[in-house]
Amino acid sequence: DTGVSQDPRHKITKRGQNVTFRCDPISEHNRLYWYRQTLGQGPEFLTYFQNEAQLEKSRLLSDRFSAERPKGSFSTLEIQRTEQGDSAMYLCASSSLGQPQHFGDGTRLSIL
Amino acid sequence: EDKVVQSPLSLVVHEGDTVTLNCSYEVTNFRSLLWYKQEKKAPTFLFMLTSSGIEKKSGRLSSILDKKELFSILNITATQTGDSAVYLCAVVLADTPLVFGKGTRLSVIA
Repeated sequence: DTGVSQDPRHKITKRGQNVTFRCDPISEHNRLYWYRQTLGQGPEFLTYFQNEAQLEKSRLLSDRFSAERPKGSFSTLEIQRTEQGDSAMYLCASSSLGQPQHFGDGTRLSIL
Repeated sequence: EDKVVQSPLSLVVHEGDTVTLNCSYEVTNFRSLLWYKQEKKAPTFLFMLTSSGIEKKSGRLSSILDKKELFSILNITATQTGDSAVYLCAVVLADTPLVFGKGTRLSVIA
């Protein structure tokens, strides 16, 4: 059983650089979600897709954040012009409609 | 604003103790409540609760939902050091996939 896979596991970059993270969901799941988690907090919802359609994106933290799921399989989350405050764990989850979400191990972003 | 509050925020117990973790919520368009266990990486799914008063059980863990009083509890009996983790409560809403609480950090000492 292959779970949700995220890449890279850890990203270190300088402030102002662009970063892109990838998420491969569980193959039979048509819903894919992105969350951000900072120390001592629960995950915070960012955006989600049903197949290739992005159903909610108003929770993306700023216009520097964008996500895509072009063929309804894997997804990418991009952050442009990174800032110190973007340092966090970025989690991806997938599910079928009405079923629990299953999470990947996350990408930890560190901004120097 | 939708809110999920967990208590206590942290807890230290000895092996063999029984613990009860609390989750209360004030949300619109409630659909279901989920419990996750988070060790170092991914939150792992424990329970999904949709109906009031029906206990869900898995080994030493059990959980129940009260939709009238807007809370859920997670019980762990005969705790083991492997139960040490952050336990997250999350609510599924109609228009926002999951709203999480801050979690309860459980430490089980031998």
